[in-house]
Amino acid sequence: NAGVTQTPKFQVLKTGQSMTLQCAQDMNHEYMSWYRQDPGMGLRLIHYSVGAGITDQGEVPNGYNVSRSTTEDFPLRLLSAAPSQTSVYFCASSFAGETQYFGPGTRLLVL
Amino acid sequence: DAKTTQPNSMESNEEEPVHLPCNHSTISGTDYIHWYRQLPSQGPEYVIHGLTSNVNNRMASLAIAEDRKSSTLILHRATLRDAAVYYCIPPGAGKSTFGDGTTLTVKP
Repeated sequence: NAGVTQTPKFQVLKTGQSMTLQCAQDMNHEYMSWYRQDPGMGLRLIHYSVGAGITDQGEVPNGYNVSRSTTEDFPLRLLSAAPSQTSVYFCASSFAGETQYFGPGTRLLVL
Repeated sequence: DAKTTQPNSMESNEEEPVHLPCNHSTISGTDYIHWYRQLPSQGPEYVIHGLTSNVNNRMASLAIAEDRKSSTLILHRATLRDAAVYYCIPPGAGKSTFGDGTTLTVKP
């Protein structure tokens, strides 16, 4: 099992550009989540999903969109990147919302 | 939603035990407490979880107070590789709230 995979590992964007962060898991977990972590801070929940076709907002959803068309994939879209979105992004999955398994993260720099 | 409180930082000497506390006074009776740790430049990883009784695994032990309002993660012999941020969180059905955790520094 690969677990939770995220691509890309690192990305530089200019203000106003859009992009999609990819997240995939091969554990057949229903629950998937996106977090962001700013330097020296804890993780903050952006969006989460409890199954294919079902998504909901977390603490800091503004500027991000998600969709969940399959159990395996949960992409995060930045609509118009801003410097405030410079952060490390983690995707996680879990079975029935219990123990979460995290991906290695995507480091995003917005200039 | 249940909230947790942890000290911002703790220090330990290598090879000594470490007790990391967490208060979770608003946890419900059926919520498990999960502990994760985050090594530098990595994503969080699961450490241990428990409901009412003490739990042990190869990484750590978890002592849960009888009233379930607090718990303590115990690293029996800290190593330099245990230096990390430790988070205790109640399960959040995939939408857990991570606070700032406890930054553990291990001194050689």
